[in-house]
Amino acid sequence: DADVTQTPRNRITKTGKRIMLECSQTKGHDRMYWYRQDPGLGLRLIYYSFDVKDINKGEISDGYSVSRQAQAKFSLSLESAIPNQTALYFCATSGRNQETQYFGPGTRLLVL
Amino acid sequence: SQQGEEDPQALSIQEGENATMNCSYKTSINNLQWYRQNSGRGLVHLILIRSNEREKHSGRLRVTLDTSKKSSSLLITASRAADTASYFCATVRGGSYIPTFGRGTSLIVHP
Repeated sequence: DADVTQTPRNRITKTGKRIMLECSQTKGHDRMYWYRQDPGLGLRLIYYSFDVKDINKGEISDGYSVSRQAQAKFSLSLESAIPNQTALYFCATSGRNQETQYFGPGTRLLVL
Repeated sequence: SQQGEEDPQALSIQEGENATMNCSYKTSINNLQWYRQNSGRGLVHLILIRSNEREKHSGRLRVTLDTSKKSSSLLITASRAADTASYFCATVRGGSYIPTFGRGTSLIVHP
């Protein structure tokens, strides 16, 4: 089984809808991250969490919120989706004091 | 904002040839990492080189780091069609454990 899983893998939604993307990991890592990837722009950090009680904004947090339900679970919510949030979203994890990141398979989101 | 910028943006070669990708960055770093992404998939870590290292090898991969020029290169020797992917450099600054990713180099290896 994959160490980092994301659900759903694909999602189509309409402008104004609230949606949640979920991430689970079995690596036992403390640190979890949410990125979005747009063509030609690489990966940009949305939010990150160094442990269950720690949540930090990344480069592009506006329009997003997160919840760290447990060490193994980190969810990303779009409160009111807009078309320019159409992107590929990745969850990643890393161990404490380790810089190497382990990525999930991604969620492809289309906002109409 | 991107810290590392890969060059070229796209590279097309024949199987068996070597592929070289470069990464330039702007501020001092603690380490630099290279990741690979197959189309539409998650990134996979390839190699990490620290600021006090100049060269590292892993199988057919060779990474160099020149901190005076703020640049790194990734060399894939004897490329295979299966090496077709996007390759990203990611830099980690001192005091941070979070890599900042570049925009990537798209490599196509023709069989």
